[in-house]
Amino acid sequence: DSGVTQTPKHLITATGQRVTLRCSPRSGDLSVYWYQQSLDQGLQFLIQYYNGEERAKGNILERFSAQQFPDLHSELNLSSLELGDSALYFCASSESPLGQWGETQYFGPGTRLLVL
Amino acid sequence: SQQGEEDPQALSIQEGENATMNCSYKTSINNLQWYRQNSGRGLVHLILIRSNEREKHSGRLRVTLDTSKKSSSLLITASRAADTASYFCATEGGSNYKLTFGKGTLLTVNP
Repeated sequence: DSGVTQTPKHLITATGQRVTLRCSPRSGDLSVYWYQQSLDQGLQFLIQYYNGEERAKGNILERFSAQQFPDLHSELNLSSLELGDSALYFCASSESPLGQWGETQYFGPGTRLLVL
Repeated sequence: SQQGEEDPQALSIQEGENATMNCSYKTSINNLQWYRQNSGRGLVHLILIRSNEREKHSGRLRVTLDTSKKSSSLLITASRAADTASYFCATEGGSNYKLTFGKGTLLTVNP
């Protein structure tokens, strides 16, 4: 158990809908990262927050948004869902933001999203 | 786009044998990390090697890094059935503050 929790574990929804994925980082971790994992694209970095502020952006679509709240939990909002958004969405956390010396990221169990 | 690329894509060995996985990347890095993922579950961090390091050990794991060849290898010695998983390398470089993962090597250890 990494200490990172994600809810829900599974989500089935229809095209065009909007969903919210939630992540609670490990106690004491200030950085939160979101990743999307699919068979064709592999594991793609979406976005990073550090202590409530956006720190880095990856391959995140404009239909997707995220935020980190004062209690450090984070939410990833996916809107106007398409079939291709079906994937595993992981949240990870680390004590400090990524830097030159590297930070171990602790991954949650993921949310499996199926768009029908 | 993927920065790291693992080789081979799949590897099947017998329990007790050693497993070697390779990772190549394209641009300069600050550090490289290896993660393990059991089927459909979250990734688990294995080891981090910084760009000024050449080799690191952790238990049965040995990681090497050759920055001149832009490559890294992960060696798992005396493999066990429980080592069956996908193994990913991830690179962090420059000031982009993000990890870029390869597509992984699927390791199967047969009892």
